[in-house]
Amino acid sequence: GEDVEQSLFLSVREGDSSVINCTYTDSSSTYLYWYKQEPGAGLQLLTYIFSNMDMKQDQRLTVLLNKKDKHLSLRIADTQTGDSAIYFCAESRNTGKLIFGQGTTLQVKP
Amino acid sequence: DVKVTQSSRYLVKRTGEKVFLECVQDMDHENMFWYRQDPGLGLRLIYFSYDVKMKEKGDIPEGYSVSREKKERFSLILESASTNQTSMYLCASSLVKGGNQPQHFGDGTRLSIL
Repeated sequence: GEDVEQSLFLSVREGDSSVINCTYTDSSSTYLYWYKQEPGAGLQLLTYIFSNMDMKQDQRLTVLLNKKDKHLSLRIADTQTGDSAIYFCAESRNTGKLIFGQGTTLQVKP
Repeated sequence: DVKVTQSSRYLVKRTGEKVFLECVQDMDHENMFWYRQDPGLGLRLIYFSYDVKMKEKGDIPEGYSVSREKKERFSLILESASTNQTSMYLCASSLVKGGNQPQHFGDGTRLSIL
């Protein structure tokens, strides 16, 4: 099917690392994206990875891609209360469509 | 930076009304999309458009229609609003089909149908 799967909820303490996981379905997807949604707002593009890469680092964010298992993860180092949000992974299709997961709610406790 | 603007943040309408949700992007993007977002269901694609006057059905088009008369504007129409259309509606745009084309989102319209 077309499902992109994410766990629904993650709770961490401030200063810890957060790891949000995602599995996707289409091995021909060329780009995979992570979006962040703060309460009452739209989705903000956080980062993306091209399918021929295994890892991409951008400041506190690290994206890992295991293409064999179709598994994508987003690691946030030194998680802050401002990181509390819903995080969506999405895979690209040649049609220009993105297929989104259900979103993972990240709760950061002080 | 890409700016996608949705005309209303909050909207309250009555059952049976015809409802228009407007979306405008300022970066000459070819593709535009309408999603609805419901708790636990993520984003579901309603309609999208690759060009002026073109439209394609998404995964849940029933009860909705769209209009794209100008490249920068994509309107979502609820022909006869029903309570099960109460939701958060998100508009997005992207440059062209293919390649690295992330979608850029507006802030959303929270629509309540009474």
